[in-house]
Amino acid sequence: DGGITQSPKYLFRKEGQNVTLSCEQNLNHDAMYWYRQDPGQGLRLIYYSQIVNDFQKGDIAEGYSVSREKKESFPLTVTSAQKNPTAFYLCASKDGASGSAGEQFFGPGTRLTVL
Amino acid sequence: GQQLNQSPQSMFIQEGEDVSMNCTSSSIFNTWLWYKQDPGEGPVLLIALYKAGELTSNGRLTAQFGITRKDSFLNISASIPSDVGIYFCASKDAGKSTFGDGTTLTVKP
Repeated sequence: DGGITQSPKYLFRKEGQNVTLSCEQNLNHDAMYWYRQDPGQGLRLIYYSQIVNDFQKGDIAEGYSVSREKKESFPLTVTSAQKNPTAFYLCASKDGASGSAGEQFFGPGTRLTVL
Repeated sequence: GQQLNQSPQSMFIQEGEDVSMNCTSSSIFNTWLWYKQDPGEGPVLLIALYKAGELTSNGRLTAQFGITRKDSFLNISASIPSDVGIYFCASKDAGKSTFGDGTTLTVKP
């Protein structure tokens, strides 16, 4: 089955530790995205990548880093510099073809709690 | 960046009632997308709109792309308990999407 996966579903870390959230897709999509969602709020874009080996900062990139070494994978690292890292993190991918509908497909999310 | 204003922020309705929510922007868009997010899950696309004035249905859901290209609405008819969740509008904008803050829907049996 084609899809986008995020693991783990729940993640706990101590304050001051870096943590990496995984995102994998087998949809052959060119573009991938990371969003943060806080309770009762919408989606805020952290980083996005339109092609392998290239990525851009979103609206709230400070304290986060990404890499895009493979088309299928777009891991997000939450560093100790992120002041308030506890949140629900969503990864998405999108077909970059010009004739595509343009919608993003989302993973199930990872809920990160920093203690 | 561009902003999408969704309203209402939340709705509490009785099962069987119809629901309407909308999304507005100061910018013109060529695409409007409506997503639903179940609690603790990722959003799923409900309806995509590509042309001003377009009216599209998906079961009990109907969405319209405003004629000015600056707004869209989503209607849900005869709501059921599984309609509970957060509904997001989104626009497609040169490589990334902008999302509204969402409308949280609660359906009382």
